[in-house]
Amino acid sequence: DTGVSQNPRHKITKRGQNVTFRCDPISEHNRLYWYRQTLGQGPEFLTYFQNEAQLEKSRLLSDRFSAERPKGSFSTLEIQRTEQGDSAMYLCAGSIGLRYTGELFFGEGSRLTVL
Amino acid sequence: AQTVTQSQPEMSVQEAETVTLSCTYDTSESDYYLFWYKQPPSRQMILVIRQEAYKQQNATENRFSVNFQKAAKSFSLKISDSQLGDAAMYFCAYRFSGSRLTFGEGTQLTVNP
Repeated sequence: DTGVSQNPRHKITKRGQNVTFRCDPISEHNRLYWYRQTLGQGPEFLTYFQNEAQLEKSRLLSDRFSAERPKGSFSTLEIQRTEQGDSAMYLCAGSIGLRYTGELFFGEGSRLTVL
Repeated sequence: AQTVTQSQPEMSVQEAETVTLSCTYDTSESDYYLFWYKQPPSRQMILVIRQEAYKQQNATENRFSVNFQKAAKSFSLKISDSQLGDAAMYFCAYRFSGSRLTFGEGTQLTVNP
Protein backbone atom coordinates (compact mmCIF):
# COMPACT_ATOMS: atom_id res chain seq x y z
CA ASP A 1 0.00 0.00 0.00
CA THR A 2 1.52 3.32 -1.15
CA GLY A 3 -0.79 5.46 0.97
CA VAL A 4 -2.24 7.26 -2.06
CA SER A 5 -5.96 6.77 -2.59
CA GLN A 6 -8.01 7.81 -5.58
CA ASN A 7 -11.75 8.16 -6.04
CA PRO A 8 -13.78 7.12 -7.82
CA ARG A 9 -12.03 4.04 -9.10
CA HIS A 10 -14.27 3.88 -12.14
CA LYS A 11 -16.38 6.53 -13.82
CA ILE A 12 -18.62 6.08 -16.85
CA THR A 13 -20.01 9.24 -18.32
CA LYS A 14 -21.59 10.53 -21.47
CA ARG A 15 -19.77 12.79 -23.85
CA GLY A 16 -20.12 16.42 -22.85
CA GLN A 17 -20.50 15.80 -19.14
CA ASN A 18 -18.07 17.05 -16.50
CA VAL A 19 -16.18 14.66 -14.24
CA THR A 20 -13.99 15.18 -11.19
CA PHE A 21 -11.40 12.85 -9.71
CA ARG A 22 -9.95 13.12 -6.26
CA CYS A 23 -6.54 12.08 -4.97
CA ASP A 24 -5.61 11.79 -1.30
CA PRO A 25 -1.88 11.37 -0.67
CA ILE A 26 -0.33 10.95 2.73
CA SER A 27 0.53 14.13 4.60
CA GLU A 28 4.26 13.77 3.90
CA HIS A 29 3.74 13.98 0.14
CA ASN A 30 4.55 17.62 -0.51
CA ARG A 31 4.61 16.92 -4.24
CA LEU A 32 1.62 15.54 -6.08
CA TYR A 33 1.45 14.46 -9.71
CA TRP A 34 -1.27 13.61 -12.20
CA TYR A 35 -0.65 11.25 -15.11
CA ARG A 36 -2.88 9.83 -17.80
CA GLN A 37 -2.47 6.27 -19.04
CA THR A 38 -4.22 4.75 -22.04
CA LEU A 39 -4.42 1.01 -22.58
CA GLY A 40 -1.08 -0.56 -23.37
CA GLN A 41 0.83 2.70 -23.04
CA GLY A 42 3.06 4.28 -20.46
CA PRO A 43 1.74 7.04 -18.22
CA GLU A 44 1.84 10.55 -19.67
CA PHE A 45 2.56 13.51 -17.41
CA LEU A 46 -0.27 16.01 -16.97
CA THR A 47 0.65 18.30 -14.10
CA TYR A 48 2.24 18.50 -10.68
CA PHE A 49 1.97 20.48 -7.46
CA GLN A 50 4.42 21.36 -4.79
CA ASN A 51 2.25 21.86 -1.77
CA GLU A 52 -0.63 23.99 -3.10
CA ALA A 53 1.29 25.55 -6.00
CA GLN A 54 0.81 24.09 -9.46
CA LEU A 55 4.33 24.24 -10.86
CA GLU A 56 4.09 22.57 -14.25
CA LYS A 57 1.42 21.67 -16.76
CA SER A 58 1.84 19.51 -19.83
CA ARG A 59 0.54 20.72 -23.16
CA LEU A 60 -1.65 17.59 -22.96
CA LEU A 61 -3.64 19.46 -20.33
CA SER A 62 -6.13 21.30 -22.51
CA ASP A 63 -8.36 24.12 -21.32
CA ARG A 64 -11.00 21.55 -20.46
CA PHE A 65 -8.76 20.12 -17.76
CA SER A 66 -8.16 21.80 -14.43
CA ALA A 67 -6.39 20.59 -11.34
CA GLU A 68 -6.28 21.99 -7.86
CA ARG A 69 -4.62 21.19 -4.59
CA PRO A 70 -6.11 23.42 -1.93
CA LYS A 71 -4.08 23.68 1.25
CA GLY A 72 -1.53 21.30 -0.16
CA SER A 73 -3.43 18.22 0.89
CA PHE A 74 -5.81 16.36 -1.44
CA SER A 75 -6.04 17.20 -5.13
CA THR A 76 -8.82 17.21 -7.69
CA LEU A 77 -8.66 16.83 -11.44
CA GLU A 78 -11.72 18.07 -13.31
CA ILE A 79 -12.46 17.40 -16.95
CA GLN A 80 -15.13 19.59 -18.50
CA ARG A 81 -17.16 18.69 -21.59
CA THR A 82 -15.66 15.22 -21.77
CA GLU A 83 -14.76 13.71 -25.13
CA GLN A 84 -14.32 10.06 -26.06
CA GLY A 85 -10.59 10.68 -26.36
CA ASP A 86 -10.50 11.45 -22.64
CA SER A 87 -11.16 7.78 -21.87
CA ALA A 88 -8.13 6.63 -19.93
CA MET A 89 -6.77 5.76 -16.51
CA TYR A 90 -5.90 8.86 -14.50
CA LEU A 91 -3.09 8.22 -12.06
CA CYS A 92 -2.13 10.29 -9.07
CA ALA A 93 1.24 10.03 -7.36
CA GLY A 94 2.87 11.64 -4.38
CA SER A 95 6.48 12.11 -3.42
CA ILE A 96 8.26 13.03 -0.24
CA GLY A 97 10.79 15.79 0.05
CA LEU A 98 12.23 18.23 -2.40
CA ARG A 99 14.90 16.05 -3.94
CA TYR A 100 14.31 15.12 -7.57
CA THR A 101 15.40 11.58 -6.90
CA GLY A 102 12.37 10.98 -4.79
CA GLU A 103 10.32 7.92 -5.50
CA LEU A 104 6.79 8.47 -6.74
CA PHE A 105 4.06 6.64 -4.82
CA PHE A 106 1.16 5.91 -7.13
CA GLY A 107 -2.50 5.43 -6.38
CA GLU A 108 -4.55 2.70 -8.03
CA GLY A 109 -5.93 5.14 -10.55
CA SER A 110 -9.33 6.35 -11.66
CA ARG A 111 -10.57 4.81 -14.88
CA LEU A 112 -12.71 7.06 -17.05
CA THR A 113 -14.94 5.77 -19.83
CA VAL A 114 -16.64 8.36 -22.01
CA LEU A 115 -19.55 7.01 -24.05
CA ALA B 1 13.07 16.50 -25.42
CA GLN B 2 13.76 13.43 -23.38
CA THR B 3 12.34 10.19 -24.68
CA VAL B 4 12.31 6.67 -23.31
CA THR B 5 11.97 3.65 -25.57
CA GLN B 6 11.16 0.07 -24.64
CA SER B 7 11.44 -2.05 -27.76
CA GLN B 8 9.96 -5.23 -26.28
CA PRO B 9 6.17 -4.95 -25.93
CA GLU B 10 6.02 -8.48 -24.48
CA MET B 11 8.46 -10.88 -22.87
CA SER B 12 8.04 -14.27 -21.28
CA VAL B 13 10.22 -16.30 -18.93
CA GLN B 14 10.05 -19.64 -17.22
CA GLU B 15 9.74 -19.62 -13.47
CA ALA B 16 13.18 -19.61 -11.79
CA GLU B 17 14.89 -18.43 -14.98
CA THR B 18 16.43 -15.04 -15.75
CA VAL B 19 15.00 -12.41 -18.05
CA THR B 20 16.30 -9.04 -19.23
CA LEU B 21 14.10 -6.13 -20.21
CA SER B 22 15.57 -3.46 -22.45
CA CYS B 23 15.29 0.31 -22.29
CA THR B 24 16.98 3.12 -24.16
CA TYR B 25 16.58 6.82 -23.64
CA ASP B 26 17.57 10.05 -25.23
CA THR B 27 18.81 13.07 -23.32
CA SER B 28 21.39 15.81 -23.59
CA GLU B 29 21.77 16.01 -19.84
CA SER B 30 24.61 14.46 -17.88
CA ASP B 31 23.03 14.19 -14.46
CA TYR B 32 19.67 12.46 -14.25
CA TYR B 33 17.87 9.49 -12.75
CA LEU B 34 16.49 6.30 -14.21
CA PHE B 35 13.84 4.01 -12.79
CA TRP B 36 12.07 0.74 -13.39
CA TYR B 37 8.47 0.62 -12.22
CA LYS B 38 6.24 -2.44 -12.03
CA GLN B 39 2.49 -2.31 -12.62
CA PRO B 40 0.68 -5.56 -11.74
CA PRO B 41 -2.78 -6.05 -13.25
CA SER B 42 -5.29 -3.71 -11.61
CA ARG B 43 -2.82 -2.74 -8.94
CA GLN B 44 -0.69 0.22 -8.04
CA MET B 45 2.52 1.00 -9.83
CA ILE B 46 5.51 0.45 -7.58
CA LEU B 47 9.18 1.27 -7.83
CA VAL B 48 11.44 -1.69 -8.56
CA ILE B 49 14.85 -0.09 -8.78
CA ARG B 50 16.53 3.30 -9.23
CA GLN B 51 19.83 4.38 -10.79
CA GLU B 52 21.57 7.76 -10.49
CA ALA B 53 23.41 8.64 -13.68
CA TYR B 54 26.47 9.92 -11.83
CA LYS B 55 27.00 6.52 -10.23
CA GLN B 56 29.02 4.06 -12.25
CA GLN B 57 28.02 1.09 -10.15
CA ASN B 58 24.89 -0.68 -11.33
CA ALA B 59 22.02 -0.71 -8.86
CA THR B 60 20.85 -3.99 -7.34
CA GLU B 61 17.78 -4.83 -5.30
CA ASN B 62 17.60 -8.48 -4.33
CA ARG B 63 16.70 -10.40 -7.53
CA PHE B 64 16.56 -7.22 -9.60
CA SER B 65 19.60 -5.55 -11.12
CA VAL B 66 20.30 -3.08 -13.88
CA ASN B 67 22.88 -2.76 -16.60
CA PHE B 68 23.41 0.97 -16.99
CA GLN B 69 25.43 2.00 -20.04
CA LYS B 70 25.55 5.79 -19.94
CA ALA B 71 27.41 6.32 -23.19
CA ALA B 72 25.00 4.06 -25.03
CA LYS B 73 22.02 5.53 -23.14
CA SER B 74 20.88 2.06 -22.26
CA PHE B 75 19.25 0.91 -19.02
CA SER B 76 18.20 -2.74 -18.92
CA LEU B 77 16.56 -4.61 -16.06
CA LYS B 78 17.56 -8.15 -15.18
CA ILE B 79 15.24 -10.29 -13.11
CA SER B 80 16.88 -13.39 -11.69
CA ASP B 81 15.08 -16.46 -10.34
CA SER B 82 11.80 -15.23 -11.82
CA GLN B 83 8.70 -15.79 -9.72
CA LEU B 84 5.03 -15.91 -10.68
CA GLY B 85 4.52 -12.68 -8.77
CA ASP B 86 6.91 -10.90 -11.13
CA ALA B 87 4.32 -11.05 -13.88
CA ALA B 88 3.37 -7.44 -14.61
CA MET B 89 3.86 -4.51 -16.93
CA TYR B 90 7.29 -2.99 -16.45
CA PHE B 91 7.99 0.64 -17.25
CA CYS B 92 11.35 2.29 -17.67
CA ALA B 93 11.35 5.95 -16.63
CA TYR B 94 13.66 8.95 -16.79
CA ARG B 95 13.85 12.01 -14.61
CA PHE B 96 15.92 15.17 -14.93
CA SER B 97 15.97 18.08 -12.50
CA GLY B 98 12.40 19.00 -13.34
CA SER B 99 10.05 16.77 -11.48
CA ARG B 100 8.45 15.33 -14.56
CA LEU B 101 8.94 11.56 -14.83
CA THR B 102 8.97 10.36 -18.45
CA PHE B 103 7.90 6.76 -19.02
CA GLY B 104 8.52 4.29 -21.81
CA GLU B 105 5.75 2.32 -23.49
CA GLY B 106 6.13 -0.63 -21.18
CA THR B 107 6.99 -4.33 -21.45
CA GLN B 108 4.42 -6.94 -20.48
CA LEU B 109 6.21 -9.76 -18.66
CA THR B 110 4.65 -13.20 -18.44
CA VAL B 111 6.10 -15.79 -16.07
CA ASN B 112 5.33 -19.38 -17.05
CA PRO B 113 5.15 -22.06 -14.32
